Amino acid sequence: DVKVTQSSRYLVKRTGEKVFLECVQDMDHENMFWYRQDPGLGLRLIYFSYDVKMKEKGDIPEGYSVSREKKERFSLILESASTNQTSMYLCASSIGQSRFFEQYFGPGTRLTVT
Amino acid sequence: LAKTTQPISMDSYEGQEVNITCSHNNIATNDYITWYQQFPSQGPRFIIQGYKTKVTNEVASLFIPADRKSSTLSLPRVSLSDTAVYYCLVGAEYGNKLVFGAGTILRVKS
Repeated sequence: DVKVTQSSRYLVKRTGEKVFLECVQDMDHENMFWYRQDPGLGLRLIYFSYDVKMKEKGDIPEGYSVSREKKERFSLILESASTNQTSMYLCASSIGQSRFFEQYFGPGTRLTVT
Repeated sequence: LAKTTQPISMDSYEGQEVNITCSHNNIATNDYITWYQQFPSQGPRFIIQGYKTKVTNEVASLFIPADRKSSTLSLPRVSLSDTAVYYCLVGAEYGNKLVFGAGTILRVKS
């Protein structure tokens, strides 16, 4: 089974802090994704990566950056956390072009910024 | 950019077939349609994907009419364990505009 793990299930940070959310997948998937999920809005894509050191902006990249130095790890960085970034953050991965949308999700990190 | 619209919630009984429709009037030529299932405190789980006509796998069917402006996820003979939120996703492979619907809460009753 594909396993996608996220570094924390719950995280509380203060406004202005730099926040790192880590995601690791164990199935050698090429594509990795970061989403945020908010009530009534569904999931929104922040960034995705289709290869090491490659990244593409999603729908809502403002206030976020990402890093993919190794194939199995994709990090989401909040340079200066703000209260409007309080949300559930979900990481996902998929194998490659032919199965781009067959994404495997981690359990999520609920981030609260106070 | 395709905008997706789904019913907020649906109720069903065990053993019935459930059809959940997603509207995506502005779907682009390169867009695929994908459906996910999500249980509380878990990430979404892939169910099925299609481009046009009908796709069937071991858990669901996906019906897409010729104009592709909507799609219908069909769950045969639902059970209590199918109670979950179902999301449709419209987007192009390697595109950065992946549009999820707001989700449909399906409640299956005994």
